Amino acid sequence: GAVVSQHPSRVICKSGTSVKIECRSLDFQATTMFWYRQFPKQSLMLMATSNEGSKATYEQGVEKDKFLINHASLTLSTLTVTSAHPEDSSFYICSGGRGRNEQFFGPGTRLTVL
Amino acid sequence: GENVEQHPSTLSVQEGDSAVIKCTYSDSASNYFPWYKQELGKGPQLIIDIRSNVGEKKDQRIAVTLNKTAKHFSLHITETQPEDSAVYFCAASHNAGNMLTFGGGTRLMVKP
Repeated sequence: GAVVSQHPSRVICKSGTSVKIECRSLDFQATTMFWYRQFPKQSLMLMATSNEGSKATYEQGVEKDKFLINHASLTLSTLTVTSAHPEDSSFYICSGGRGRNEQFFGPGTRLTVL
Repeated sequence: GENVEQHPSTLSVQEGDSAVIKCTYSDSASNYFPWYKQELGKGPQLIIDIRSNVGEKKDQRIAVTLNKTAKHFSLHITETQPEDSAVYFCAASHNAGNMLTFGGGTRLMVKP
């Protein structure tokens, strides 16, 4: 149990376009979902925390207007990178919280902005 | 806030040997300590976790120990195999917000 999926697994886009990444908890209800960003050979950096039906809480330094997060249901959260630029290229990973602090991660989305 | 330090950053062992990765945390309120394994190009996978009411937990070749007084916890992998090669992350959390604070990661290489 505790499976999280992400779609797409990789995406290449042109500078200035927007990209949407979906995160789904397949076999549990995720009351909280987290979005992370990971650069090569580095640890995970928390971008934002979202609870179903409410606005996301962004970490310091993360632009909320650039990284739009929607958590419409207990099994789906989306991250939209708006007006993407090459510096937004990274590995984006979501996780679903199942309660008692447990987090289960998706397989990640590799974003490349040309 | 919480700060988690992880050592070593890289670890190379011979197949069959044991591997130990250590983490320290700063917030005495932390009560949940998971370990994740991340293979190249994939998301982190939970391999074992421990809560503050327990000192040790074991699952086949993997064990985790926790010393609340010293605020450190360790991952022990015995009889290592090449497929154990990956990056391992420790993390710490307390009940407020369910957020995890991650260590910097350890790249484990198991040589056949």
